[in-house]
Amino acid sequence: GAVVSQHPSRVICKSGTSVKIECRSLDFQATTMFWYRQFPKQSLMLMATSNEGSKATYEQGVEKDKFLINHASLTLSTLTVTSAHPEDSSFYICSARDKSSGSLYEQYFGPGTRLTVT
Amino acid sequence: EDQVTQSPEALRLQEGESSSLNCSYTVSGLRGLFWYRQDPGKGPEFLFTLYSAGEEKEKERLKATLTKKESFLHITAPKPEDSATYLCAVQTSNDYKLSFGAGTTVTVRA
Repeated sequence: GAVVSQHPSRVICKSGTSVKIECRSLDFQATTMFWYRQFPKQSLMLMATSNEGSKATYEQGVEKDKFLINHASLTLSTLTVTSAHPEDSSFYICSARDKSSGSLYEQYFGPGTRLTVT
Repeated sequence: EDQVTQSPEALRLQEGESSSLNCSYTVSGLRGLFWYRQDPGKGPEFLFTLYSAGEEKEKERLKATLTKKESFLHITAPKPEDSATYLCAVQTSNDYKLSFGAGTTVTVRA
């Protein structure tokens, strides 16, 4: 149980274009999903928190107009990198919290999406 | 501000050579401490959650313990397949956000 998928696993795009990354919880309902980015040999940095049906909450320093997050259902959240530039190249990982977990706080992570902007 | 520090940065072990990884934290109220394993190019894989000092959890060759200031991940008789980066994270608020340490990269040689 508690499987999270991401699509695509890898994407290469040209500078100035937009890229959409999907995050799905496959066998549970996710009230809350989180988006992280990870640079080589560094740890995960939280970008934003999204709750189903409401606007995402962005961490300080993350441009909300550049990283658009939509959490339209209890099993799907999307991250759109708009007008991507080479410095946006990174490993993007989503995680999801199981709605039925009650007081437990575990988050389950997707396999990540490698974005390369040329 | 919450701080999570993991040590050492890297650990090279011979197969069967037991060792421990450290995660020290400074937070304003711990709700949970998490250990994850991350393989290169993959997302983190959940290992353990610890909620209160004195708690211990085990899974195969891994055992996690928690005190009021730090957590240890003990690897007993490691095998090459235990090679990975082990991440520690803390959760301190009602919004379930995680703050991660930088990780310890473990390499186990046969």
